[in-house]
Amino acid sequence: QSVLTQPPSVSAAPGQKVTISCSGSSSNIGSNYVSWYQQLPGTAPKLLIYDNNKRPSGIPDRFSGSKSGTSVTLGITELQTGDEADFYCGTWDSSLNAVVFGGGTKLTVL
Amino acid sequence: QLQLQESGPGLVRPSETLSLTCSVSGGSISSNAYYWGWIRQPPGKGLEWLGSIYYSGSTYYSPSLKSRVTISVDTSKNQVSLELSSVTATDTAVYYCARHGGFEVVDSIVILFSTWFDPWGQGTLVTVSS
Repeated sequence: QSVLTQPPSVSAAPGQKVTISCSGSSSNIGSNYVSWYQQLPGTAPKLLIYDNNKRPSGIPDRFSGSKSGTSVTLGITELQTGDEADFYCGTWDSSLNAVVFGGGTKLTVL
Repeated sequence: QLQLQESGPGLVRPSETLSLTCSVSGGSISSNAYYWGWIRQPPGKGLEWLGSIYYSGSTYYSPSLKSRVTISVDTSKNQVSLELSSVTATDTAVYYCARHGGFEVVDSIVILFSTWFDPWGQGTLVTVSS
């Protein structure tokens, strides 16, 4: 059971937009910055978003992050088949004194 | 370009100690304001953070694994190491090392204000089996 809760799967058609949610509590998302990772099949995770809504160099602006209270959302626009991957949210939990991740969400681009 | 590479045995016997090394190239492990972390992923499952270390030796460990995990740093070799003792089949996973960012140095004290991992090594699969 993960500390952060993500939907197991989401799907959308090419060219459409999809959102992936990640919910937590006041000790993690509610009081700390969140990062998002994309894991393409058979590869290591890659940083997609940090500090809730910042994109590292090289990440297209089709990817965005937002936060409200104890939840965060990853948005992906103009979906491509190459976006099919597992996505994870992560943050620091001030009560556990530990890094925590969501269980992951599998994106299918139909 | 910073690169990380994990290495170590791919098979470990139950009750023994798992030992892995992460070699960092393209940058110094002694960089201010970055920790170096270990994360694992059991086959078909999600990510689990094991712990992180600063070049000075300061560490954070996962509370659930703290009694079995030891992370160390060798600045002369630009390497970070992981030891996980008393392993069982549930420790079978791909083990990743990654640069752990989101820290600030204030009056010589390293303070965590955010958490992110970038870049990651390619990962190494460790199987626990007799």
